[in-house]
Formats: sequence, C-alpha cells, structure tokens
Amino acid sequence: GAGVSQSPSNKVTEKGKDVELRCDPISGHTALYWYRQSLGQGLEFLIYFQGNSAPDKSGLPSDRFSAERTGGSVSTLTIQRTQQEDSAVYLCASSLANRLYGYTFGSGTRLTVV
Amino acid sequence: KNQVEQSPQSLIILEGKNCTLQCNYTVSPFSNLRWYKQDTGRGPVSLTIMTFSENTKSNGRYTATLDADTKQSSLHITASQLSDSASYICVVAPSSNYQLIWGAGTKLIIKP
Repeated sequence: GAGVSQSPSNKVTEKGKDVELRCDPISGHTALYWYRQSLGQGLEFLIYFQGNSAPDKSGLPSDRFSAERTGGSVSTLTIQRTQQEDSAVYLCASSLANRLYGYTFGSGTRLTVV
Repeated sequence: KNQVEQSPQSLIILEGKNCTLQCNYTVSPFSNLRWYKQDTGRGPVSLTIMTFSENTKSNGRYTATLDADTKQSSLHITASQLSDSASYICVVAPSSNYQLIWGAGTKLIIKP
C-alpha cells in the first residue's frame, strides 16, 4: 500500500480483556516499530523488528504486552488483561533502514480501557 | 541520561507570522536529529533529518538548524498558515542504537 495502515483506528475494551492491534507496513520496509503515545506525552518506544533478526522487546512495559511480525510484513501487537493505564494511542512505523531514513507512521489505534 | 527537551510547550501566533521552536538534547553519541509534525489524531510526519555535520536544512517554509557543539536545534516556520497548527516533535537518534529519543513536542496553534 501507499502508507502504513493500522487497524482498528479506535478500540474501546473492558478492563481485563485482551486486544489485538494490527499494522500493515509499507511494502519492502524491513524495519517496523511500535510506539505508544499517552495524552500530551512524547512517544514511548515499545518494540522493534528488523528483517529476520530477533525483535528488540526492551520497551514493552510488562509481560502482558507481546508482538509478532509474520513473514516480515504484517505485525500484531497484543495486550492481555488490559488495564486502564494501557489507554493510549498505539502508533506503528516502518522504514527502509534504521538510520538516516525517516519513518512513515500509521495513523494509530486509539485504545480506551474502561 | 539521554533526553530531548523542547520549548515552548505551546505557542499561539497569528497567521502569516514567523515562529521558532527550540530543542535541546543531551543524547550522546549522536547520529542525527529529526523534526516531525503531528496533526491531531494522526501519526508524526517527517519534516527534516540532519546529521551532526549539517547546520541547516529547509523543507519549504520550514527551516531547521543544528548546533552539535551546544546540542541545540531550532525549527523556524516562515509565513505561518492555519494548516501549520500541529505538534512539532524533535527526535534525536543516538549512534549507539536504533532507538530514537523523542521530545514531548511543542503544540503550535495558528490563529486567523
């Protein structure tokens, strides 16, 4: 596709439920990032995928968070047993490389845990 | 600790006026510095990327400057337009890893 696509755009879930957020990166982009942005805050790094290398999961805030990237393309971020503090906008970005190339961001998934 | 600080936190100016946003960072070692524009409800969009050897880079009405010695950058917007209303985020890439260090952004509002 022409850009990074994320779905759903909005998700309201009850506390304790599991949610899955999807990211379709730009075709051919080998690097994929997940970020979280809480209201009025800067972006918080969650996880990074690069090609077939093992992902960098160092930003995941707890073991309730996990992500996978199938076939080097689509990625899914899963949050188990959601808590109210998980409410945020979850942004996915992809790039050709991780240095001088700019990222292309999706529009994000706004997650609200009630 | 690697940090990126931006000022002002928010800014309101009249359409047609110029403005300058500031970014100070303590990231070391340093690879490149980026400015992003984020419209409400959208993902950030890249405006400029500068390496430590570049002092200035322009993208239309946006001009970014970088002083790697003082670890300061600025984003100058000329002849502002209503569509410039957004958050402007300064982001620094350490050369030691790929994780970017994000500032909290400056919220810019352009009034007619």
